[in-house]
Amino acid sequence: GENVEQHPSTLSVQEGDSAVIKCTYSDSASNYFPWYKQELGKRPQLIIDIRSNVGEKKDQRIAVTLNKTAKHFSLHITETQPEDSAVYFCAAIPPGGYNKLIFGAGTRLAVHP
Amino acid sequence: DSGVTQTPKHLITATGQRVTLRCSPRSGDLSVYWYQQSLDQGLQFLIQYYNGEERAKGNILERFSAQQFPDLHSELNLSSLELGDSALYFCASSVGTSGRQGTKNIQYFGAGTRLSVL
Repeated sequence: GENVEQHPSTLSVQEGDSAVIKCTYSDSASNYFPWYKQELGKRPQLIIDIRSNVGEKKDQRIAVTLNKTAKHFSLHITETQPEDSAVYFCAAIPPGGYNKLIFGAGTRLAVHP
Repeated sequence: DSGVTQTPKHLITATGQRVTLRCSPRSGDLSVYWYQQSLDQGLQFLIQYYNGEERAKGNILERFSAQQFPDLHSELNLSSLELGDSALYFCASSVGTSGRQGTKNIQYFGAGTRLSVL
């Protein structure tokens, strides 16, 4: 079945710097890749997603890139702010999977003022 | 607020007991998913229902079962509880589901039920 690996597990940056989180997936037929942000004790919230027919998508300070050949996708956060501190999860939906999300292990991002 | 409601927020129980977690999806959503989040296992897909029918299963233990009722709310039943079942249990909902490639369906998560087995 689909497997999603996520790196790094922890990331510490200074406010204003950029942060990049990378994920790789195993099933080349997976076609939808969302990113969720989870603050401490709260629900995962979708922040951006990308479909397999698109190479890049941007929403203000957040962007996601997808390399289908290499089977990896990345989250880019620019001009980081302390409120960006959270755990970020990537996910993939495998083919024929009826929409179930297979999550990466998560990245704990700390943005220091 | 995502519109997905989970009750209770917290559950404390003893080993060997049985509990029921409840989820009400967003208005209009037909599909409900259950996920387990523990410290060492991350977010794990358990099971999915669509319009009352089971659609997909993940690594759900035989001691766990779920159902979706005609009003579309769902319940996750956990029995013969063990210490290792302590976790956050999330419910998510989406408008629909798709077995076709290339279709997405955004999942909205509830606030979760924190289960502590003592």
